Amino acid sequence: DTAVSQTPKYLVTQMGNDKSIKCEQNLGHDTMYWYKQDSKKFLKIMFSYNNKELIINETVPNRFSPKSPDKAHLNLHINSLELGDSAVYFCASSQDSLFRGTGELFFGEGSRLTVL
Amino acid sequence: AQSVTQLGSHVSVSEGALVLLRCNYSSSVPPYLFWYVQYPNQGLQLLLKYTSAATLVKGINGFEAEFKKSETSFHLTKPSAHMSDAAEYFCAVSDKAGNQFYFGTGTSLTVIP
Repeated sequence: DTAVSQTPKYLVTQMGNDKSIKCEQNLGHDTMYWYKQDSKKFLKIMFSYNNKELIINETVPNRFSPKSPDKAHLNLHINSLELGDSAVYFCASSQDSLFRGTGELFFGEGSRLTVL
Repeated sequence: AQSVTQLGSHVSVSEGALVLLRCNYSSSVPPYLFWYVQYPNQGLQLLLKYTSAATLVKGINGFEAEFKKSETSFHLTKPSAHMSDAAEYFCAVSDKAGNQFYFGTGTSLTVIP
């Protein structure tokens, strides 16, 4: 049973379109994240939610809008896609050690977005 | 503020040779430290972590890392490289609250037969 699952695994779309990536974790974690990994493998934090509340919002264009309907889900919607949005997007979750967690990040398999 | 520096974006070793991947961190508070591995077209998988217990941490697949506070280092080692170790390796640091993680830029490990 997959701990952090995200769909779809691959997206290919045209510039200007809107797309969404869904993420679900069944670990009971309070905190979820979206990371962007570019072609050079650099990992950049985009957003972090704790119990459905936004706690980290890095410098990301407002075309990117996260939404957390409950603490097990964190979706990412991207409007007006641009070529530079092509990347692999990773969802992750964690439970900090102060709240009976193990402290590390658990990652999904990634969603590879290609904008043509 | 916390940050992580991984020295060497590409490391090549012969099969059976020692693997050494370097990681230095800066942190104003005692950190948690992690090594993750990413195989091609996959997500990141935890190799090992340091959370202020033993300074020598053993992980999966024969890897280990030593926390050295005086050197602010957390280098990853494996005595004998295997072809299956070829992957991207990331060092990361978090504070003890575990809400913010800072990743290094990654080291690509190639194993030469």
